[in-house]
Amino acid sequence: SAVISQKPSRDICQRGTSLTIQCQVDSQVTMMFWYRQQPGQSLTLIATANQGSEATYESGFVIDKFPISRPNLTFSTLTVSNMSPEDSSIYLCSVEEVWGTDTQYFGPGTRLTVL
Amino acid sequence: RKEVEQDPGPFNVPEGATVAFNCTYSNSASQSFFWYRQDCRKEPKLLMSVYSSGNEDGRFTAQLNRASQYISLLIRDSKLSDSATYLCVVRFRNQFYFGTGTSLTVIP
Repeated sequence: SAVISQKPSRDICQRGTSLTIQCQVDSQVTMMFWYRQQPGQSLTLIATANQGSEATYESGFVIDKFPISRPNLTFSTLTVSNMSPEDSSIYLCSVEEVWGTDTQYFGPGTRLTVL
Repeated sequence: RKEVEQDPGPFNVPEGATVAFNCTYSNSASQSFFWYRQDCRKEPKLLMSVYSSGNEDGRFTAQLNRASQYISLLIRDSKLSDSATYLCVVRFRNQFYFGTGTSLTVIP
């Protein structure tokens, strides 16, 4: 399975600032996703990161708040903009491999706390 | 209605017990089904895929019932290391839908 890394692993940020999270995969993958997992909750899909085009956002998530880049098949970034304490969460990158089964593999997550 | 529903538990079982989790899904056109395991403060990890014919991996058995739209996971001879949250995941087209997870604690 693909090996996925995320940076930073955790951060504490001030209200009103922005944080960019990076997701790096050790192989080319077709699909990359960004999820949010709030304390005690399951995963909520934020968007699908599309290579070479705009991300596809789920209901309740907008590009101005969560801009996403995906410049190639191994890398993506998620920015959490103008943060508020409600954005405190774990943000997870996941991938679906090109040639594997149709399953997802997750990065280790970024634990974000907004004060 | 949620796409995927699970009993959140918690399930507290003694070592050696057999425990079963169920999960229901709302979209009859769902294509693929999975169980993931998530340890505290860690990312979800794939436990097993679920097929209509059922599949078994050691102490773990997963079943899919398309007619009733539910998925089950059976864990036999529970170990302390099985303590985790088990997430039911359903795929429809390019979307993966996650249940809220079932918490399992295996007690010595």
